[in-house]
Amino acid sequence: RKEVEQDPGPFNVPEGATVAFNCTYSNSASQSFFWYRQDCRKEPKLLMSVYSSGNEDGRFTAQLNRASQYISLLIRDSKLSDSATYLCVVNKAAGNKLTFGGGTRVLVKP
Amino acid sequence: EAGVTQFPSHSVIEKGQTVTLRCDPISGHDNLYWYRRVMGKEIKFLLHFVKESKQDESGMPNNRFLAERTGGTYSTLKVQPAELEDSGVYFCASSQHRVGSGNTIYFGEGSWLTVV
Repeated sequence: RKEVEQDPGPFNVPEGATVAFNCTYSNSASQSFFWYRQDCRKEPKLLMSVYSSGNEDGRFTAQLNRASQYISLLIRDSKLSDSATYLCVVNKAAGNKLTFGGGTRVLVKP
Repeated sequence: EAGVTQFPSHSVIEKGQTVTLRCDPISGHDNLYWYRRVMGKEIKFLLHFVKESKQDESGMPNNRFLAERTGGTYSTLKVQPAELEDSGVYFCASSQHRVGSGNTIYFGEGSWLTVV
């Protein structure tokens, strides 16, 4: 079983719609959680950290459920520029290395 | 401010040859990381430097891979001899502080390696 699992998609989303997807992690010692965005053949870029209380950054909302060991990302009012692969990333408290999921591909269409 | 820079951006080598990838972290970042993504797989951690010291090299796949960071500035990752399964993209990243919520790690654009 992979440490971080994501639905690879693609999620085909009409422009202006809302899309949400989850990732699950297997290591209960995971302490820090992130969503990264990766465009085709580009480097991963931090979209947002995910906090226990949930957090919002503009049109993006992230939630963490420690009991069920999953995190979620919701994108409201999708823009064409939101088309990308969204990577779920976790980090154990004692370690300094990030564990990546395989990514969820989102395609926003006019 | 310059970001994390990697060289070469693309490399095609024959099986059995040697390739050296270079990474220049963001100035002042003591933490430097190497990750890679091989075909069809997720991005995986290779190793972590703090200044010139290897803090964690648990992700290095085998002894054909050698990473160095002499002087605590730029880093090199050498693959010798290269095998077909080494093909993929090698990302370097750096951070000022240790990984954690609120602490950003910045990735370079990657070095795309193809072994034929």
